[in-house]
Amino acid sequence: EDQVTQSPEALRLQEGESSSLNCSYTVSGLRGLFWYRQDPGKGPEFLFTLYSAGEEKEKERLKATLTKKESFLHITAPKPEDSATYLCAVQGSNDYKLSFGAGTTVTVRA
Amino acid sequence: DTGVSQDPRHKITKRGQNVTFRCDPISEHNRLYWYRQTLGQGPEFLTYFQNEAQLEKSRLLSDRFSAERPKGSFSTLEIQRTEQGDSAMYLCASSFVSGANVLTFGAGSRLTVL
Repeated sequence: EDQVTQSPEALRLQEGESSSLNCSYTVSGLRGLFWYRQDPGKGPEFLFTLYSAGEEKEKERLKATLTKKESFLHITAPKPEDSATYLCAVQGSNDYKLSFGAGTTVTVRA
Repeated sequence: DTGVSQDPRHKITKRGQNVTFRCDPISEHNRLYWYRQTLGQGPEFLTYFQNEAQLEKSRLLSDRFSAERPKGSFSTLEIQRTEQGDSAMYLCASSFVSGANVLTFGAGSRLTVL
């Protein structure tokens, strides 16, 4: 069974203070690793898909990287509007569903 | 395209009552998923459809839960004889069959069982 573990559970940052979130996974053949953002009371919003070790993707202040066992989401110079829960999910090669981690809740103070 | 729509957004019911949630996916998407999310946890997979066929159900989906997708369009998730442990956010997502299975989620239906 696919397993996804995210750390830390919560992260409090000062505006402009860069940091990284970790997603460790075990999966039978990785078809894709996904990052989502979720605001309170809303559904998850897609950010990135990574397919193979060494791949990187960027969007504004966010950068996602992938190794064979984990993925990192780097937040550079965060702003208060980056406050949200960030979810990591994996899809196995013989699977059509995504398996999610519990998420990291990021709070950015002005 | 208005995205994935879910109705109702919030349902409060008494233990033992039946509830039904509806999901309207993005029109060109042929896969539809149901997930359940409790406070502080990530979404947990319940079931998914490809067109009108229900292809996988989680062990979490007890006999009190049933999902349908008639004609491969909208879907309903019914919970019979609700229990307090059923209180959660029920998320619907849809995707298009391709190499990248990017799920687009709706805003969710929050269930509170008193």
